[in-house]
Amino acid sequence: DVKVTQSSRYLVKRTGEKVFLECVQDMDHENMFWYRQDPGLGLRLIYFSYDVKMKEKGDIPEGYSVSREKKERFSLILESASTNQTSMYLCASSGNQPQHFGDGTRLSIL
Amino acid sequence: GENVEQHPSTLSVQEGDSAVIKCTYSDSASNYFPWYKQELGKGPQLIIDIRSNVGEKKDQRIAVTLNKTAKHFSLHITETQPEDSAVYFCAATQNTGNQFYFGTGTSLTVIP
Repeated sequence: DVKVTQSSRYLVKRTGEKVFLECVQDMDHENMFWYRQDPGLGLRLIYFSYDVKMKEKGDIPEGYSVSREKKERFSLILESASTNQTSMYLCASSGNQPQHFGDGTRLSIL
Repeated sequence: GENVEQHPSTLSVQEGDSAVIKCTYSDSASNYFPWYKQELGKGPQLIIDIRSNVGEKKDQRIAVTLNKTAKHFSLHITETQPEDSAVYFCAATQNTGNQFYFGTGTSLTVIP
């Protein structure tokens, strides 16, 4: 079974901090995705990657960056956290099959 | 780009009744339509999907129908049980492995 692991379930940070969210998948999938989930807005794509060292902007990339140095790991970076980035963050991966999601990181920015 | 709309945003049904969630999409090139279920504290899990060359697919109590002409697809849950209570998301895409375009979700509550 595919496993997508997000390093933290809950995270509290302060405004202006640089925040790293980590995601690891164990199925050798080429594609990885970062979403944020907010009530009434569904899942919005932040960034995705089709291969190591490759990245593509999603629908809401502003204020975020990503890093994919190894195939199994995809990191989301908040360069200077702001309160409007308080949200649930979901990572997903896929090969030729539908996306598999991790259980999410609930991030609070104070 | 693709735009997926999902209705209703909330749905309450009595245990044993049926539930229907509807989605519309805008891009006629979309050909794969998955449905995800998200339970409290968990990430979304794929529960059923349908491709554009099929009009209906069923898996026990859940079924999905697709109308390509009208560009809409629906999730049907029969004989609902309390464990069906969750948030359900529809999605559309041109390629299984690529970007999915998600609806805004339906919070389903099954009342015992």
